[in-house]
Amino acid sequence: TQLLEQSPQFLSIQEGENLTVYCNSSSVFSSLQWYRQEPGEGPVLLVTVVTGGEVKKLKRLTFQFGDARKDSSLHITAAQPGDTGLYLCAFRRNTGKLIFGQGTTLQVKP
Amino acid sequence: GAGVSQSPRYKVAKRGQDVALRCDPISGHVSLFWYQQALGQGPEFLTYFQNEAQLDKSGLPSDRFFAERPEGSVSTLKIQRTQQEDSAVYLCASSAPARPHTDTQYFGPGTRLTVL
Repeated sequence: TQLLEQSPQFLSIQEGENLTVYCNSSSVFSSLQWYRQEPGEGPVLLVTVVTGGEVKKLKRLTFQFGDARKDSSLHITAAQPGDTGLYLCAFRRNTGKLIFGQGTTLQVKP
Repeated sequence: GAGVSQSPRYKVAKRGQDVALRCDPISGHVSLFWYQQALGQGPEFLTYFQNEAQLDKSGLPSDRFFAERPEGSVSTLKIQRTQQEDSAVYLCASSAPARPHTDTQYFGPGTRLTVL
């Protein structure tokens, strides 16, 4: 059983479209992180959300932490082929180890 | 400066062979983590070092998996008598001194292990 459930698992869209991916759990978290992983590379941290209801923007990417701190979403506006990759949400245990969701594979076609 | 490096990038092993995967963390990073990632899935935690001390090995899937970091820098993940289910990408990550619960983990590119 996944502690973090991500949806959809796979998304294929055309350049210029908008999309939202979700990260859900029944547990409450002190913070959640989002990573992007490109083929042949390790995950790279995009953002950490800490406060319930928090919204953070990174260029065309908008991250939101649910009010109850059980879920998070990532919205991409006007997707570009360079956005292609595996998007992962994760939380960090006190020991530092990261627990990841299963990821959303995004393919943006030119 | 250099990021986390891993070698080899690709490894093909016959079932039953032993393999050793190397991780060179960012210089000065005290914390080092190993993760296993199946194709199209999120990484799963294997083990964690602070300097040379292995503080958490709860994620190692069997006693065929062994990790070490004898001098607190380079780490090696060893898999004995490899099985097909060991096929995965093995990721290494390091983070800044002594604050693993807050500092960003920087990942290497991974070693893709294929067991035939």
